[in-house]
Amino acid sequence: RKEVEQDPGPFNVPEGATVAFNCTYSNSASQSFFWYRQDCRKEPKLLMSVYSSGNEDGRFTAQLNRASQYISLLIRDSKLSDSATYLCVVTSSGGYQKVTFGTGTKLQVIP
Amino acid sequence: DGGITQSPKYLFRKEGQNVTLSCEQNLNHDAMYWYRQDPGQGLRLIYYSQIVNDFQKGDIAEGYSVSREKKESFPLTVTSAQKNPTAFYLCASVQRRGLGTEAFFGQGTRLTVV
Repeated sequence: RKEVEQDPGPFNVPEGATVAFNCTYSNSASQSFFWYRQDCRKEPKLLMSVYSSGNEDGRFTAQLNRASQYISLLIRDSKLSDSATYLCVVTSSGGYQKVTFGTGTKLQVIP
Repeated sequence: DGGITQSPKYLFRKEGQNVTLSCEQNLNHDAMYWYRQDPGQGLRLIYYSQIVNDFQKGDIAEGYSVSREKKESFPLTVTSAQKNPTAFYLCASVQRRGLGTEAFFGQGTRLTVV
């Protein structure tokens, strides 16, 4: 089983729609969680951190469910500029802190 | 400005040649990582280093080598043993942020075997 799993998509949604992505992780000792956005042929950039209490930033909401070992990202009122690949990132504790990326979920917002 | 710099942006290699990709950061981060990304796929971990003079293999280390002689620098060598090296390579450094960590990325090096 992969350490971090995401549905690769693509998710094709109309402008203004609400879309949600999930990401599951296998290591119950995982320490911190993030969502990154990657545009085509560019490096990933941090979108937001994910906390157990939930984290909201404008149209974006991230949630963590430790019991079920998944994180989610909700995008409301989708814009064309939201089209990108969204990467789930999990860091694990231990002697060496390892940063693991999911394979990403591709979102295409359609006019 | 602090940041992480990868060079070159584009690199062409003949089959059988070793090439070295540069990654430098002035963020004073202890941890640095190398990832490989193939078209339409996610990031796969090649090597990572938590401190100077120490590094660990990631999920796809075969055909690659690294060194960490200085905190600021984490070069990746793609050796001739790597059978399919054409890919986008990303270097990252990691900082503790609150209770967790945040990864900062270089702009990547696109390696093509010709």
